[in-house]
Amino acid sequence: QVQLVQPGAEVKKPGASVKVSCRASGYTFTSSYMHWVRQAPGQGLEWMGMINPSDGNTRYAQKFQGRITMTRDTSTSTGYMELSSLRSEDTALYYCTRDLTDWGQGTLVTVPS
Amino acid sequence: QSALTQPASVSGSPGQSITISCTGTSSDVGSYDLVSWFQQHPGKAPKLMIFQVSKRPSGVSNRFSGSKSGNTASLTISGLQAEDEADYYCCSFAGTTTFNWVFGGGTKLTVL
Repeated sequence: QVQLVQPGAEVKKPGASVKVSCRASGYTFTSSYMHWVRQAPGQGLEWMGMINPSDGNTRYAQKFQGRITMTRDTSTSTGYMELSSLRSEDTALYYCTRDLTDWGQGTLVTVPS
Repeated sequence: QSALTQPASVSGSPGQSITISCTGTSSDVGSYDLVSWFQQHPGKAPKLMIFQVSKRPSGVSNRFSGSKSGNTASLTISGLQAEDEADYYCCSFAGTTTFNWVFGGGTKLTVL
């Protein structure tokens, strides 16, 4: 079955960067887009962007343009989302999802104010 | 890209039917049959319930159905059960200019 495994949590200082990983198994990694979606505490879902693991092509939400980078490593079937210039408002659960179908359990990124 | 509009909350009694609306624009919901619905229980990851407006993934109860008219998509849950109490989110493709996707703000379903 499809599995998307993410680290549990990260704590970062304001102004720092965080790189969240998402290791995929149970399907052909290069056959599906990987999206990243975040959810601030008590808030709704927010689409951040996506990557085509086949060619590395990316699309980002305008809100994050300039401080988000999505990459992938096809040798380990792992996707990465890096967000820079972190601020307290970036405190959220960050999910990876295969084609918005299967979801990881999320990585809690905390940026203390 | 603005978020899709959903009611903040809906409620119903066991056995009843409810419908959750999701209003977008002619640039997203109105132009593409790429609307999905997700169910999220507290502390859990979202679960896909409906994709491409009205299709159900394997394993999702046929009590869940989706439809679309113009710029508004809808999720209907029939025969409400206590386990349906959750947050529900719609999501739509938002166009080939940006190839972005957009979520609704979410709807809290309470089973009375």
